[in-house]
Amino acid sequence: DAGVTQSPTHLIKTRGQQVTLRCSPKSGHDTVSWYQQALGQGPQFIFQYYEEEERQRGNFPDRFSGHQFPNYSSELNVNALLLGDSALYLCASSLTGADNQPQHFGDGTRLSIL
Amino acid sequence: AQSVAQPEDQVNVAEGNPLTVKCTYSVSGNPYLFWYVQYPNRGLQFLLKYITGDNLVKGSYGFEAEFNKSQTSFHLKKPSALVSDSALYFCAVRAFNNNNDMRFGAGTRLTVKP
Repeated sequence: DAGVTQSPTHLIKTRGQQVTLRCSPKSGHDTVSWYQQALGQGPQFIFQYYEEEERQRGNFPDRFSGHQFPNYSSELNVNALLLGDSALYLCASSLTGADNQPQHFGDGTRLSIL
Repeated sequence: AQSVAQPEDQVNVAEGNPLTVKCTYSVSGNPYLFWYVQYPNRGLQFLLKYITGDNLVKGSYGFEAEFNKSQTSFHLKKPSALVSDSALYFCAVRAFNNNNDMRFGAGTRLTVKP
């Protein structure tokens, strides 16, 4: 049973570029959440997708956008990259309605902005 | 909105000694509380959760946590630490009936010395 998978594992971009990160949820899960984890900090909630729509959003600018596909996989897009966007981006999946169950995390994508 | 505080950036213990990693939370209503562990270059791995019921919850790898409603705390404990327990530990809270927004603490780095 595959867990949450993310690609790529590492990515290097320059300021002003755009990036797309990908996530496949754990089998049986229908909800995908994205988090940004800066060095030395805890994960910060970016947004969550369910039924192909953004259901809730954290305190992140519109440069951060996402998408969920019919197979529940998801993409995170970041436009006009800034140096401060350098971080580990984590995807977590869960099953809506199973509120007492934990989110399952992938190993993340390490994004470096030069 | 919910929030989590982990007052210690770092905890050092000797192998074989008991360990405690502290967490306090703030949430409207009843909380769902979680502990995750993160090893280098990996995502977050679920350890245990408190949803309701017994205040002492047991999780993976011999870890346990005690929910204290009056002190709004959810401290992680282990009777006998192992060197392999050395990692970054995160406490997280989600409000009851809010599947959307999980808030994490800043993390506590646990170092277990032989």
